[in-house]
Amino acid sequence: DAKTTQPTSMDCAEGRAANLPCNHSTISGNEYVYWYRQIHSQGPQYIIHGLKNNETNEMASLIITEDRKSSTLILPHATLRDTAVYYCIVRAAPYNDMRFGAGTRLTVKP
Amino acid sequence: NAGVTQTPKFQVLKTGQSMTLQCAQDMNHEYMSWYRQDPGMGLRLIHYSVGAGITDQGEVPNGYNVSRSTTEDFPLRLLSAAPSQTSVYFCASSRNEGNEQFFGPGTRLTVL
Repeated sequence: DAKTTQPTSMDCAEGRAANLPCNHSTISGNEYVYWYRQIHSQGPQYIIHGLKNNETNEMASLIITEDRKSSTLILPHATLRDTAVYYCIVRAAPYNDMRFGAGTRLTVKP
Repeated sequence: NAGVTQTPKFQVLKTGQSMTLQCAQDMNHEYMSWYRQDPGMGLRLIHYSVGAGITDQGEVPNGYNVSRSTTEDFPLRLLSAAPSQTSVYFCASSRNEGNEQFFGPGTRLTVL
């Protein structure tokens, strides 16, 4: 599986959009980009995933560059409850093993 | 649905003791996995299973055994606990390949 690079930490003002970047320059054509988050010490929570098209769901949007070497997770209106560690993971289906890095610690401030 | 459940929530062991961490899911998911998370770090895969009777090793399998006799249960066994196994253990399941994983609440294990 391709490795990912994420900033260690980011801050965001409450109510503003949070844009979390991820670099995955060695991604292969059959690898998906997944985003999970971990709030405090709870189990990780799935957010969104995509292959090459941009994706949106009720939680977030995922923007993948045309060359697929990087992506951005967008939380459109961040709240204090979005404070968490966000993990960007690339992996090829059908293998289900997820390789988590250190992630980005997002702090949403009032 | 209860989702993914793990027991116990907390456990303290002495070096050399053995124990089993329990994981169960009621979503009829084929895939189940065990991860450990050390302080300040991301999750690392210990073992995983693609269905009943099938298991495989992840990144850090040494010192752990698993079995999958039913779709619902995926216990993790520590054979002879060591202080290096002090960690938080998460179990996860998913419907099949490519689907989102659902994680349990974790078991906090301390080995003295």
